[in-house]
Amino acid sequence: KAGVTQTPRYLIKTRGQQVTLSCSPISGHRSVSWYQQTPGQGLQFLFEYFSETQRNKGNFPGRFSGRQFSNSRSEMNVSTLELGDSALYLCASSQRPSDRYHYNEQFFGPGTRLTVL
Amino acid sequence: SQQGEEDPQALSIQEGENATMNCSYKTSINNLQWYRQNSGRGLVHLILIRSNEREKHSGRLRVTLDTSKKSSSLLITASRAADTASYFCATDAGGGSTLGRLYFGRGTQLTVWP
Repeated sequence: KAGVTQTPRYLIKTRGQQVTLSCSPISGHRSVSWYQQTPGQGLQFLFEYFSETQRNKGNFPGRFSGRQFSNSRSEMNVSTLELGDSALYLCASSQRPSDRYHYNEQFFGPGTRLTVL
Repeated sequence: SQQGEEDPQALSIQEGENATMNCSYKTSINNLQWYRQNSGRGLVHLILIRSNEREKHSGRLRVTLDTSKKSSSLLITASRAADTASYFCATDAGGGSTLGRLYFGRGTQLTVWP
């Protein structure tokens, strides 16, 4: 099975621009989560999607948004980019969301490295 | 915050030695996981230990969990240069709407010298 793929792998933008990142989950996986990794804040949860619905959202401003398509592929968008948005954005997929009794392992993609100048 | 904290921040050892990393967290959990990340790449899942387990093994990895102290340790035995990476612990929420969301620590940078 192919792993989680993210495109593009590297991206350079300037302040004020917007960006869209894409994530293709492992075949058969219907849950996609996004994380931001920076040296200062570490790994932080952005949002989780399941069956095209946002199930969970982290503590990020409204400039960060996402969506999931019927084929489970997901995109995240950041508008009005700021220097502090420079980060590695990681996508993770799992078969379905976890619940108290069943943990579904999350598999991470290689990430998209976003640099904002 | 439920974020875990790893200790030490950095660890440097020789090949063949054992490496021990610790993780502490703040609130109740369903499980705790350890991940490895090579040089700013994606995260690789190493091992998961459930809240009702105290110890788990996988190859050269040994994980312990002490829920009374809200802490976990990852032991890598007979380290190899290829083990050089950042290691993160991650916890999930105890319940509620944030279930399944992972909270990561800041990581331990392990360097294994040949």
